[in-house]
Amino acid sequence: QKEVEQDPGPLSVPEGAIVSLNCTYSNSAFQYFMWYRQYSRKGPELLMYTYSSGNKEDGRFTAQVDKSSKYISLFIRDSQPSDSATYLCAMGFGNEKLTFGTGTRLTIIP
Amino acid sequence: KAGVTQTPRYLIKTRGQQVTLSCSPISGHRSVSWYQQTPGQGLQFLFEYFSETQRNKGNFPGRFSGRQFSNSRSEMNVSTLELGDSALYLCASSRDRPNTEAFFGQGTRLTVV
Repeated sequence: QKEVEQDPGPLSVPEGAIVSLNCTYSNSAFQYFMWYRQYSRKGPELLMYTYSSGNKEDGRFTAQVDKSSKYISLFIRDSQPSDSATYLCAMGFGNEKLTFGTGTRLTIIP
Repeated sequence: KAGVTQTPRYLIKTRGQQVTLSCSPISGHRSVSWYQQTPGQGLQFLFEYFSETQRNKGNFPGRFSGRQFSNSRSEMNVSTLELGDSALYLCASSRDRPNTEAFFGQGTRLTVV
């Protein structure tokens, strides 16, 4: 079993819809949680960073962490075609390396 | 504020050759991590350097090595290149821990022929 599980998709939704992306994990030591967006042939771009459980909102993006369920989510409101990309969850603890999910490919249909 | 800079952006090498990739982190960041990204394997962690010391290491053969300089710039080297080394090599910098607010460069796309 992988430490971090992420549905690879692909996921296609119409423009304006709310998108929900999720990751589950098995290591209860994880305490730092991130979401990255990666466009084709580009480096990943940090979207959201959260520490421990709770919600964090930034514009159209909301990150949720539920440590009791070992489950994190990223919500995108009012989705735009420019949101079409691969979304990667990542997590870590202490001075250990980041552990990534495999990424979910998202397409927003105009 | 300048981002993470990786050079070169593209490289084509022949099997058996060696290659050196460079990463300049964000100013003030002391942790630099390297990743290999391929369509089949996703993001694979290579190693992390902090204050010129390798702090974390992934499961790659000894052909993959790296170092960090006193100004936090980092290089990675791959010797005796194999076709399977063709990938996007990414570096990420963060202030001190490798797993908090890590920012990626645009990557170096290496093609081995």
